[in-house]
Amino acid sequence: QKEVEQNSGPLSVPEGAIASLNCTYSDRGSQSFFWYRQYSGKSPELIMFIYSNGDKEDGRFTAQLNKASQYVSLLIRDSQPSDSATYLCAVNTPLVFGKGTRLSVIA
Amino acid sequence: GAGVSQSPRYKVAKRGQDVALRCDPISGHVSLFWYQQALGQGPEFLTYFQNEAQLDKSGLPSDRFFAERPEGSVSTLKIQRTQQEDSAVYLCASSSSVGGFQPQHFGDGTRLSIL
Repeated sequence: QKEVEQNSGPLSVPEGAIASLNCTYSDRGSQSFFWYRQYSGKSPELIMFIYSNGDKEDGRFTAQLNKASQYVSLLIRDSQPSDSATYLCAVNTPLVFGKGTRLSVIA
Repeated sequence: GAGVSQSPRYKVAKRGQDVALRCDPISGHVSLFWYQQALGQGPEFLTYFQNEAQLDKSGLPSDRFFAERPEGSVSTLKIQRTQQEDSAVYLCASSSSVGGFQPQHFGDGTRLSIL
């Protein structure tokens, strides 16, 4: 059974701080890793994807992948109240999702 | 269209009725996926199409669930003899690559409520 684990939160950070979201996965053969943002009542929206070990930056977002530790994370710099949502970690294809981490950015 | 389109957005049915949910993927996307999302959970995989071929249906929860994509574009997920546990949001996603290793783009989903 392929599993993706996330802390459900809520994770509360003050506006302007760095939010750090973490995810572990069970399938060592996993090759593709995705972070989706989901607002309440809306569909998942792709934020970042990463395939290789290391960091990948896109604007305020940085995805980090460590295949040896089976760990992937998402950093959000200069967090804004509009970043408040559930962040879903997903692995491989078809996607295996974690349950999501609820992030709350406090103004 | 520009994105993945799903219809209807909301569907209410009585237990025992059959329902059909439609997905219109991004034009040219070869891979199409269906997911089921229960409240407070992450989406769970149901089935995968590459063009018109259904390559993986391992996530379909029972033989009451059936999906098709006859011309390799629009897909329909059908649920027969609906049960209350079928109540969920059904999400469709498409991807430009074979196997979907490229990111998947989701539609707005169909919220199904079984009374």
